[in-house]
Amino acid sequence: QAVLTQPASLSASPGASASLTCTLRSDIDVDTSRIYWYQQKPGSPLQYLLNYKSDSDKRQGSGVPSRFSGSKDASANAGILLISGLQSEDEADYYCMMWHKTSYVVFGGGTKLTVL
Amino acid sequence: EVQLVESGGGLVQPGGSLRLSCVGSGFSFSSYWMSWVRQAPGKGLEWVANIKEDGSDKYYVDSLKGRFTISRDNAKNSLYLQLNSLRAEDTAVYYCAGFWPPVTGYALTIWGQGTMVTVSS
Repeated sequence: QAVLTQPASLSASPGASASLTCTLRSDIDVDTSRIYWYQQKPGSPLQYLLNYKSDSDKRQGSGVPSRFSGSKDASANAGILLISGLQSEDEADYYCMMWHKTSYVVFGGGTKLTVL
Repeated sequence: EVQLVESGGGLVQPGGSLRLSCVGSGFSFSSYWMSWVRQAPGKGLEWVANIKEDGSDKYYVDSLKGRFTISRDNAKNSLYLQLNSLRAEDTAVYYCAGFWPPVTGYALTIWGQGTMVTVSS
């Protein structure tokens, strides 16, 4: 079972909100985990968006609009990237990431967000 | 301008070797932990390796340990990845990325554009 699982695709309408999930393997507790989120667009370097551990422990990437925010769903053992007020420019691939066993990095499989 | 520029990719035969380079500019390279991350065509991101700011500690994904070696030369603002015994499944775009724990935490905040490695006969 993968450490981080993301749905392959998601579609949403302009102006709406999109909730991208990142489900942690069952032996990893989302409550104690910090989840990082990245955006990938063709022809551009990957962009770090934000990280989220709790409402009191989170950090927005430099220059990242507040429309991008993080949260968790403890019942689903998942981290969430919420994008509000969707714009066409938000169409991209989104990856979650975490540090595993202190020194190792793990990425989720990515979610392709389509804005239509 | 903060920038990472990778080079060294290309076409290599199975079993061959390649050395990738990544040059940083516009930031304090010697203060940053650096990483290599790869992405096979049409696939997701896969972390490859990390190296501490002074090169004293290195970490690798288990599946690649022994074939790939990460290193750096802070005097040249450069990061390297030596790829040996290459296989078709190593075909990917290889990205370098950096982070500065005291300031950015453990988020990979700087990314290069990537260099393509193709392993094929």
